[in-house]
Amino acid sequence: DAKTTQPNSMESNEEEPVHLPCNHSTISGTDYIHWYRQLPSQGPEYVIHGLTSNVNNRMASLAIAEDRKSSTLILHRATLRDAAVYYCILRDVRETSGSRLTFGEGTQLTVNP
Amino acid sequence: GAGVSQSPRYKVAKRGQDVALRCDPISGHVSLFWYQQALGQGPEFLTYFQNEAQLDKSGLPSDRFFAERPEGSVSTLKIQRTQQEDSAVYLCASSLGAGPYGYTFGSGTRLTVV
Repeated sequence: DAKTTQPNSMESNEEEPVHLPCNHSTISGTDYIHWYRQLPSQGPEYVIHGLTSNVNNRMASLAIAEDRKSSTLILHRATLRDAAVYYCILRDVRETSGSRLTFGEGTQLTVNP
Repeated sequence: GAGVSQSPRYKVAKRGQDVALRCDPISGHVSLFWYQQALGQGPEFLTYFQNEAQLDKSGLPSDRFFAERPEGSVSTLKIQRTQQEDSAVYLCASSLGAGPYGYTFGSGTRLTVV
């Protein structure tokens, strides 16, 4: 599986935007970029995914670099409920084994009131 | 139901005991996954089902771990002769299929082996 690199931790203030970076320099053409987050004592929660173009949904935006070697998850206005571990994951859906998600260490986001 | 349901939420087992963990996926979801999450770590893949077929079990740590999904809906993860290193949160996830769909995870079963 292609690997991703994320900062171990980040801090933000409530109601400010948050940009969570992810590097994936070995991404292949068929790898989708997925983001999940995990709140304490809960299972991971799907946030967003994309292939080449930037994506928006009600939770966040995903900005993908033109060369696809990096991406950024954008939370437009952080709330205390956004404090979680955020995982950036590459997923090649061509193969059976590619259906799995390979989680790394993720980024622990702290949101200050 | 609206989400993935796992039971029990917590399980304490004596070393050597057998345990069975249940997962009820979202109705109509073809794909089902089991993950193991140790304290402070990201989830690690155990096994994958597409309907009733177990297509990938490469993540199961030993032959004491067994998973089934006989009718393509509910799944059970069984651990025989539990050991202390089996203590972890066991997460189940389901998705519509093998495409680039998002997964829905359950809240997990926290297994403690004493």
